[in-house]
Amino acid sequence: QKEVEQNSGPLSVPEGAIASLNCTYSDRGSQSFFWYRQYSGKSPELIMFIYSNGDKEDGRFTAQLNKASQYVSLLIRDSQPSDSATYLCAVAYDNYGQNFVFGPGTRLSVLP
Amino acid sequence: DGGITQSPKYLFRKEGQNVTLSCEQNLNHDAMYWYRQDPGQGLRLIYYSQIVNDFQKGDIAEGYSVSREKKESFPLTVTSAQKNPTAFYLCASSMTGRTTRGEQFFGPGTRLTVL
Repeated sequence: QKEVEQNSGPLSVPEGAIASLNCTYSDRGSQSFFWYRQYSGKSPELIMFIYSNGDKEDGRFTAQLNKASQYVSLLIRDSQPSDSATYLCAVAYDNYGQNFVFGPGTRLSVLP
Repeated sequence: DGGITQSPKYLFRKEGQNVTLSCEQNLNHDAMYWYRQDPGQGLRLIYYSQIVNDFQKGDIAEGYSVSREKKESFPLTVTSAQKNPTAFYLCASSMTGRTTRGEQFFGPGTRLTVL
């Protein structure tokens, strides 16, 4: 069974710090990796995706992928209180939609 | 505006009633999905459809039914057989095929409460 694991948190960081969110997955055949942000009471919003080993940066967000270790992470630099949300890691095992697995999410709290 | 719409935003159901949640997308996506989210929990897949007139059960399909008569629409019916339906229901869609990575995009959700 394909599994995606995340620490449930809450992860608390002070404003301005770097928040580091981690995700591990079970299947080495995984192809694509996504990070979603979900504010309380709202639907998930796609914020980052990464396909190749290494880092991908987009503004204050950096996604890191290490396929050998089956590990993907999201770094949020200069964390703001508005970053407080639950972050969902998702893994796609193919391009056809039926093997797209979400992790349980990590709740992030950025303290002013 | 391209996107995914869900209606209603809030829905109240009496015990023993069937209710239908609407999901429409104008993104020309092939695949559509229904998820259930309980408070403080992750997403659980109810049903998904990769093509019109075809759909597959997800992890928690019991007590739910769907149809996919049009590419744009994927309604979910919560039947009276679903004993604990109070939850946040999310519809998503994605492209499929070699030119995509399969990322899913979500509608705003429907919050269902059993009275």
